[in-house]
This record gives sequence, C-alpha cells and structure tokens, in this order.
Amino acid sequence: DQQVKQNSPSLSVQEGRISILNCDYTNSMFDYFLWYKKYPAEGPTFLISISSIKDKNEDGRFTVFLNKSAKHLSLHIVPSQPGDSAVYFCAAGSGYALNFGKGTSLLVTP
Amino acid sequence: EPEVTQTPSHQVTQMGQEVILRCVPISNHLYFYWYRQILGQKVEFLVSFYNNEISEKSEIFDDQFSVERPDGSNFTLKIRSTKLEDSAMYFCASSEIGQSYNEQFFGPGTRLTVL
Repeated sequence: DQQVKQNSPSLSVQEGRISILNCDYTNSMFDYFLWYKKYPAEGPTFLISISSIKDKNEDGRFTVFLNKSAKHLSLHIVPSQPGDSAVYFCAAGSGYALNFGKGTSLLVTP
Repeated sequence: EPEVTQTPSHQVTQMGQEVILRCVPISNHLYFYWYRQILGQKVEFLVSFYNNEISEKSEIFDDQFSVERPDGSNFTLKIRSTKLEDSAMYFCASSEIGQSYNEQFFGPGTRLTVL
C-alpha cells in the first residue's frame, strides 16, 4: 500500500540549473509533508517541510510546493550544486508516523 | 549541532537470537521513533514512543518487537527472536513535538544482518 509515491527513481541535472523532484500521495488525511536527503550509509537528513494549510515554503535554495487538490508536492533546488547529489525522500504524516516514498536519486553534474 | 546517535553501526546475528539496538535521541526531544528500511525498499515506520509509552505502532511492530527507555538518554529496540526477514537498516529518530508538523531527526542507522 503505497500512500506516498515518487515515480522518478533518478534525475540528472547540470550544476547551476533547477532540480525538480516530484511526489504524489493518496491519503487526504496527511496534514504535513517533509523532504529528506540521504547519503549512502547515513540516515535521512531533514531538509524542509510544509503543512497542509500552506502551498509554498522556502528555505534558501530549497522550495517545496504543495498542490492539495492534485495531492502532489514538489521540491525545487535552485541553483543545483554537485553536493546536492543524494537520494531525496518525500514523507507525509497525519499522526506520529511518517510515510515515505521510495526516493529519487539526484545526480548534479558539473 | 545536536544529533541522534545509534549503536552498533552493524549487527550480525543468528536466526532466533535476540538483538537490542540502541539509540541516543537529541537531548531536548520528547518523542522517539524507530523505522526500518529493507534493502531496495522504502523506509517504513515501526513505532513511536512518548512519555514512556508507545503512542503509535505499525503492523510490522508485532509481539517480537519491544521498545524501552531504560534511562534518561537511551532508547532501545529489542527483537526477541530474529528472523531472516528482519535483516534491514534500522533508523532511530526523535522530535521535539509529536503529532503533525513534527520534524523528525534521524540517526545514521544500524544495519542488522540475520543469518
């Protein structure tokens, strides 16, 4: 039962360009959403979050957009840097538990 | 910067043996969690813990699992009789607040290998 879906397993972007990572969810009860970044052999690192009452949240180079009617959120990274290369997980919750997508592997090339 | 720590980084055990995975959450956090990630699959919620009680658990968290906060700093996950399918990365997480808007901070994980 995949309540959170990241349909692109991988994405390659040139340094300096925009990276857009997408996420879809099915449970309309989710009221907050988070993006995590993960390097191999490390735990997920929190990046940015958004509550269901907002449609946009910015933090430096990272912006998350939420479209509740489409049950879709996206993470924009501008400008992309080689150090951003990692696996990005979308997560959603309405209680204590976070429901994760399978992740998108981002490669930023010089 | 405060961080969640986990020990050991890698645990190898025989099927049927008990294992205890240890975590030290961030010191001012009050909510604690365990997640697991089987190789090639998504990160899955196991259990959340607050005020010395389980606040939520998933279907995965059956009677072979238990959690404990034995002192003021450690948070443990015990698997009583390990099975081959318990092989996974186990992540501990903690947060300042609980339901909704809770930004959970994860530890580096313990890789459990059951032979």
